[in-house]
Amino acid sequence: KAGVTQTPRYLIKTRGQQVTLSCSPISGHRSVSWYQQTPGQGLQFLFEYFSETQRNKGNFPGRFSGRQFSNSRSEMNVSTLELGDSALYLCASSLGGREPQHFGDGTRLSIL
Amino acid sequence: GNSVTQMEGPVTLSEEAFLTINCTYTATGYPSLFWYVQYPGEGLQLLLKATKADDKGSNKGFEATYRKETTSFHLEKGSVQVSDSAVYFCALDLNDYKLSFGAGTTVTVRA
Repeated sequence: KAGVTQTPRYLIKTRGQQVTLSCSPISGHRSVSWYQQTPGQGLQFLFEYFSETQRNKGNFPGRFSGRQFSNSRSEMNVSTLELGDSALYLCASSLGGREPQHFGDGTRLSIL
Repeated sequence: GNSVTQMEGPVTLSEEAFLTINCTYTATGYPSLFWYVQYPGEGLQLLLKATKADDKGSNKGFEATYRKETTSFHLEKGSVQVSDSAVYFCALDLNDYKLSFGAGTTVTVRA
């Protein structure tokens, strides 16, 4: 069974640009979550989607947004990039409920 | 709010040594608890889980017991290998559609 797939693996952008990251969940998983990982702040929750509905959102500015498609694939978008947005962005999928989340290898975003 | 506190790292051990990583939590309600492991350049892998008090999660020689009375979920392994070198994260899920993570503990095992 294929795991969670995130694309691209690496991205380099400049301040002010925008970026879209993609996540394909494990087949059959309808819940997709996004996390930001940085050395200073650790792992922070961004948002979670289930059946195309956002059910929870973390404390991030409105520049961070996401969506989920009918096939459960998800994208997150960051607009007006700032240096502080440099991070590893991790996507996780699960069956929902109390089932564990399974993570992809992440997208490493670097802002110059 | 809900939070997870892990012991500070880094932790350096010799092969075949005993490993303990302490994890305590604060939560309003009855969370599920998890340990995840992250190897360099990779995402997080689920190591083990426990969903209610006194549950013991185990996998690959690692164990952790959900202790409600001490709000703890300490990770243990009796004999570590070089391949266990990684960052370990304790996490809780309060059925609010997100995981809350500890800061992570870096473990290095020397041959």
